[in-house]
Amino acid sequence: DVKVTQSSRYLVKRTGEKVFLECVQDMDHENMFWYRQDPGLGLRLIYFSYDVKMKEKGDIPEGYSVSREKKERFSLILESASTNQTSMYLCASSSPGGGYGYTFGSGTRLTVV
Amino acid sequence: DQQVKQNSPSLSVQEGRISILNCDYTNSMFDYFLWYKKYPAEGPTFLISISSIKDKNEDGRFTVFLNKSAKHLSLHIVPSQPGDSAVYFCAASGRGGGSNYKLTFGKGTLLTVNP
Repeated sequence: DVKVTQSSRYLVKRTGEKVFLECVQDMDHENMFWYRQDPGLGLRLIYFSYDVKMKEKGDIPEGYSVSREKKERFSLILESASTNQTSMYLCASSSPGGGYGYTFGSGTRLTVV
Repeated sequence: DQQVKQNSPSLSVQEGRISILNCDYTNSMFDYFLWYKKYPAEGPTFLISISSIKDKNEDGRFTVFLNKSAKHLSLHIVPSQPGDSAVYFCAASGRGGGSNYKLTFGKGTLLTVNP
């Protein structure tokens, strides 16, 4: 089974801090994604990458950046955390076939105070 | 604008009865549709999918129906069980490479199955 591992289940950070969320997958998938989930808003795409060092903006990239230096690792960076970035963050990976769907990590619940 | 819509935020059914979750989409370039199930404090897990060349796909208690002309799909769960209580997300993707592989999700429907 594909495993997608997110480094932290729960994080509490202060406003203005730089925050790194790490995601690692073990099935050699080309595609990796970062979503956030908020009540009533569903899953919204922040950034995605379909190859090493490649990245594309999703629907809500403002206030975020990403890094993909190795195929298995995709990091989400909050440059200066704000309270409106308090959310559940979900990482996912998929094979290049696209239609085979994603495998998600367990999520990181980030609280910015 | 919202390209994948789940208009019912919640649904409550009795154990043993049928659950029907609905999803509408607006982008005619979508050609693959999926349903994910999510429990609290866990990541979504893949449930069932359907390609645009089909109108029905079945897997055990779960069946997905696709009506391309209406841009509508539905997930049927028969019989419903209390363990099915979760948030269900509808998702869609287009064909081709690169960014077309990304999934667009609906806002989700919270299904509660009462014993």
